[in-house]
This record gives sequence, C-alpha cells and structure tokens, in this order.
Amino acid sequence: EPEVTQTPSHQVTQMGQEVILRCVPISNHLYFYWYRQILGQKVEFLVSFYNNEISEKSEIFDDQFSVERPDGSNFTLKIRSTKLEDSAMYFCASRDRVRDQPQHFGDGTRLSIL
Amino acid sequence: EDKVVQSPLSLVVHEGDTVTLNCSYEVTNFRSLLWYKQEKKAPTFLFMLTSSGIEKKSGRLSSILDKKELFSILNITATQTGDSAVYLCVLLNQGGKLIFGQGTELSVKP
Repeated sequence: EPEVTQTPSHQVTQMGQEVILRCVPISNHLYFYWYRQILGQKVEFLVSFYNNEISEKSEIFDDQFSVERPDGSNFTLKIRSTKLEDSAMYFCASRDRVRDQPQHFGDGTRLSIL
Repeated sequence: EDKVVQSPLSLVVHEGDTVTLNCSYEVTNFRSLLWYKQEKKAPTFLFMLTSSGIEKKSGRLSSILDKKELFSILNITATQTGDSAVYLCVLLNQGGKLIFGQGTELSVKP
C-alpha cells in the first residue's frame, strides 16, 4: 500500500538554526498537510497546501515557518531560527483529490531543539 | 472554539474484553468525524463517519456518530494485545482541517 514517507526520522538542532523537514506524499495525492505534536499534547494543525499554495494555516504557522513543493514529489516544512518550544513530532499528511477522502500520515520527524 | 474531547484518557483491559471509547465535540458545521489508531508512529485511518446513526464496521471494530447529541463511540470487541495504541477522534472541518482530540490510550494485557 502506498505510504507517506518522512525524513529524517529524528533531527537534533541547535537553537537558532534552520531546519528543513521533508515529506514525500502518496504519488497521486494533491492535498498536503503538516501537523505537529508536542510531547504529551494533542496533534495540532499547522498548514494545508494545494495547487502550489497554502490553503489554510493555523496561528502557530507564523513567519518562522514556510512550506514548499520544490518538485513533483517532495513537500517540505522549513523552520527558521528554531526555538526550544519548536521541539515536537512533526507529521506530514496527504490525501486524494476526491472530496472527503481520509488524510494519510507519515511516521513523523521528531525534532529536538537544544 | 472548536473542541474535541475524548474519554477515558487511558484504559487498561485484558485480552478478550470489549471496550468503548468515547468522543464528544463542540464543532460547528464539520464535514466528517474520523477515528485513527496511533501506535509508535503514524496515525493510521480506521473510520470516517459522515451521517448520524449509521454504524461502520471493520472486523472487531465498529463506530457510530450521533450528530444530535454531538458524540461518537468506537467499540472494540474481543480485544487483543495488538489493539494497544492511542485512539484519536478527529473532526474534519469545512476547510479541510483536522481537529484532534487528545486521544485515548488503550492498553490490552494478555
């Protein structure tokens, strides 16, 4: 069964550095999402992306964050000038073009900011 | 503010028991309610419920949505140790955004 793949599985970065989290969505999917889950808390929506632009973003997704689909397969989340509170599990998800199909999640990238 | 509340937060049962996981919500005008199972990594899709009163079944798992009383339940019969996971109740809003509950951590002991 096709999967959403995320790399790396674990990223350790010094505070203030930039990180790029990578995702390869399922190949025929057109809608892409990033979520994060701080340890012990709920999964939170960050951003949705369709047709090469952001469809919706949460208040968490401020100027520190950006997303990009640099080619036909990758979908990236960039976090500039990382802070301690950015430490979390970041999940990528994608879904089919057909309305109301479920989102399929990757295994996540655990981001640890030191 | 849109809210999804799950109960209990954690549950320990023995193999063979039947469990019911609860989800109540305060979300206006959503499209669907979904259940996901999260083991060590990615949440995996279980059910999508759109209409009230129609039970969805998959093997030992079943789920139903009550839009009048604003809740959903997920039932698991004849539990197995492989059912141990966090079960997430999630609302899909009109904009396509998922709103997550905090999850129920189910532990099935042999």
